[in-house]
Amino acid sequence: QVQLQESGPGLVKPSQTLSLTCTVSGGSISSSTYYWSWIRQPAGKGLEWIGDIYTSGTASYNPSLKSRVTISVDTSKNQFSLKVNSVTAADTAVYHCARVRRQLVGGHPLYYFDYWGQGTLVTVSS
Amino acid sequence: SYELTQPPSVSVSPGQTANITCSGDKLKNKYVCWYQQKPGQAPVLVMYQDSERPSGIPERFSGSNSENTATLTVRGTQAMDEADYYCQAWDTSTVVFGGGTKLTVL
Repeated sequence: QVQLQESGPGLVKPSQTLSLTCTVSGGSISSSTYYWSWIRQPAGKGLEWIGDIYTSGTASYNPSLKSRVTISVDTSKNQFSLKVNSVTAADTAVYHCARVRRQLVGGHPLYYFDYWGQGTLVTVSS
Repeated sequence: SYELTQPPSVSVSPGQTANITCSGDKLKNKYVCWYQQKPGQAPVLVMYQDSERPSGIPERFSGSNSENTATLTVRGTQAMDEADYYCQAWDTSTVVFGGGTKLTVL
């Protein structure tokens, strides 16, 4: 059974960098079958995709966040990480990491999150 | 940018059928999946590729996708099905979520 666990500071000051790590257990992050993703959810609101990364290190980002976000992977530690620069109060949210199934089926892209971490609350405040 | 629209809330009596819709332009040309999220918990995948049910998801959950609307159907709704439900699709290299629907079992 694959498990994902987020870790990192729960409080970040405005204008600083938010850094989180997701540790994967029960499966290899180097698997060619999966991508790995970050999703966030402000309190009482919906889900927002931040981006994803493949074992090769190739990353994709939400265009609305692309200028401030970096996702990286460390296969030796079975971890992937998120950095969000220049944070504001609008970045306050529960941040989830998740495993992604991403493939072409019948010529159409299939993309879904099959395993999620419990999430970690990050508050941006001075 | 592509948008998925869900009704904010759906109410159903125990044992009845709940239909949760997700609308988007030419949605039938995309694969839709659905997540269930209970308070304080991570989302759980309940449907993928429009109508495929992951292992462990009860048979009372089913899905469809036609024209501009995808539908998650819960037959014989139980109290444990009360949760927020989100649809999700992939469009031009971006993941899109619907705004979520709160399913209330009255």
